[in-house]
Amino acid sequence: DAGVTQSPTHLIKTRGQHVTLRCSPISGHKSVSWYQQVLGQGPQFIFQYYEKEERGRGNFPDRFSARQFPNYSSELNVNALLLGDSALYLCASSSEGTGIWYGYTFGSGTRLTVV
Amino acid sequence: DAKTTQPTSMDCAEGRAANLPCNHSTISGNEYVYWYRQIHSQGPQYIIHGLKNNETNEMASLIITEDRKSSTLILPHATLRDTAVYYCIVTLGSNYKLTFGKGTLLTVNP
Repeated sequence: DAGVTQSPTHLIKTRGQHVTLRCSPISGHKSVSWYQQVLGQGPQFIFQYYEKEERGRGNFPDRFSARQFPNYSSELNVNALLLGDSALYLCASSSEGTGIWYGYTFGSGTRLTVV
Repeated sequence: DAKTTQPTSMDCAEGRAANLPCNHSTISGNEYVYWYRQIHSQGPQYIIHGLKNNETNEMASLIITEDRKSSTLILPHATLRDTAVYYCIVTLGSNYKLTFGKGTLLTVNP
């Protein structure tokens, strides 16, 4: 079975540009979360979606937005990129609601570099 | 979310048990203890979680003290592939966000 897939794996953008990151959860998983991991730090929570509704939002500016599609895949959008947005962006899906809990399954992430 | 305290780094010899401690003295009665690990350049991987009782699965054992203020993750026979950053996280449950600290870098040596 495919795990959580994220695209692209690497991305270089210029300050002020916009970026869209994509995530496909494990088949059957309805919950998707996004995390930002800056070098040397643990991942920081950005958003959580469940059944296409936003359930939670971390302490990130409005430049960050996300959505979940009917097939449960998700996009993370970041506008007006800053150098400080350079990070590994991780997507995680969970089996919440299926009656089976194996913890969150993370993808390998998208490495975003803002220059 | 309750905060956790972990050592910055630990070493372990290959084949020996690795015991990773975590303090969570402000944990509330309905909060769970979760452990994840992150191998270099990969996303975090779920290991185990527990509420009050000790837990064991194919990857590890989790020992939670009776007062629930601390816990220990045990990898019974560490291998080189267990070298990773290990995160101890306290959270209300399976549908809640994870608050990661800096974790413990476990280095397994040959």
